[in-house]
Order: sequence, then C-alpha cells, then structure tokens
Amino acid sequence: AQTVTQSQPEMSVQEAETVTLSCTYDTSESDYYLFWYKQPPSRQMILVIRQEAYKQQNATENRFSVNFQKAAKSFSLKISDSQLGDAAMYFCAYGGYFGNEKLTFGTGTRLTIIP
Amino acid sequence: NAGVTQTPKFRVLKTGQSMTLLCAQDMNHEYMYWYRQDPGMGLRLIHYSVGEGTTAKGEVPDGYNVSRLKKQNFLLGLESAAPSQTSVYFCASREAGPVNTEAFFGQGTRLTVV
Repeated sequence: AQTVTQSQPEMSVQEAETVTLSCTYDTSESDYYLFWYKQPPSRQMILVIRQEAYKQQNATENRFSVNFQKAAKSFSLKISDSQLGDAAMYFCAYGGYFGNEKLTFGTGTRLTIIP
Repeated sequence: NAGVTQTPKFRVLKTGQSMTLLCAQDMNHEYMYWYRQDPGMGLRLIHYSVGEGTTAKGEVPDGYNVSRLKKQNFLLGLESAAPSQTSVYFCASREAGPVNTEAFFGQGTRLTVV
C-alpha cells in the first residue's frame, strides 16, 4: 500500500520570501502521479501542481514548482514570492491507475504567511 | 459547471441515527472517492469506486457503507452514527488513468454526531 508522509505540520514564511514544503512517499509502482493540493479556510480543495512519475522534468506552475526525486521518493513543493493568499493547508497526494486507483493523502502542512 | 456536488453541507445527528451523504459528479469520471478529514490526520480514504456497480474499502471503512448504482452518483451511508464519526467528509472524482488524473472535490459535509 502507498503511504504519503508530510513531516512539517506547520510552516511560516515572510511575505515575498520562498518556502519549501516536504513530502515523501512509499510505493512499489513505477508509474504514478503526485499532486499538491491547497485547502484554504473555505475548505475547497484546489489542485496546485501535478507531476507524472515518468517525467524527469520538474513541474512548474507560475510561482509554484516541485523538486521530484523519484529514487529518493521525495516530492517537495517550493513557493516563490509568497503572497498572503497562499496561506492554507497544503496536502501532498499520490495517485495510481490501471489497477491501483487509490488516491492517498499526507497529513498536511499548515502554511502561514507573515506580512 | 457544477463539477462535484455534495449534499448536505452540514448535518447534526444523534448517536444511533442513520443518514446518507450524496455525491454527484457531472464530468463522466470513472473513479469516485469518499474521505474524512480530521485535525492532524489529513484526508483518510473511507471507500472508493472504480466504476458503476463497483466499490472497494479504503483505510477507514468501518461503520460506513457505500453504493454506486449510477456512474454519476456515489452514496456514503452511516447506519448507526457514533460520536467518532464527527468529521468533515469529502467526495472526489477523477478520470481513469493515465492522463488527466487530477481529482476534483466537493465542498465537504460537516457532520456532527452528538
């Protein structure tokens, strides 16, 4: 079974600075997806970024980028130029397919932005 | 553009009562999921379905039942509610892999069992 571990329950960063959220996972599969979801106080789950395991290039979405280390089973999220609107709970998730359809989440990291 | 809709959004139950949470998606997704979210524990998978007429257990299935009689609907039932089932429940759906496997979520149901 897949497991996802987020070892930082809480993080804080000064506005306009850069912060990195950590995520590790365990799997025996070779093909899978990894995700970072954001959950603001509204409770709505919002996809931040997605990484396909077969792609070596790290995914980027504007100020958000990942450092995907497949061999180390590590998937960290870097937020550059942090903004007040980035304050939220961030969840790392693992998704499989073709016989491994579970979508497994970590316990989350609460990010606070300091003005 | 509804996406994933959960009904109801809030509910208070007495211990021992039963209820059904409805999840409806209009994206023709194959996979659907029910999660519960508790402080410090992230989202834990209760049950999931990979297609109409199929269901499977997740991490924390005890005390819950599910049904997927129609592709667009995934129902979560509590037969005899317990205070330990007080939580926020999320439904999600996504396409079958390997492309576009992003999960779309409902807005959650806050359930309190007293």
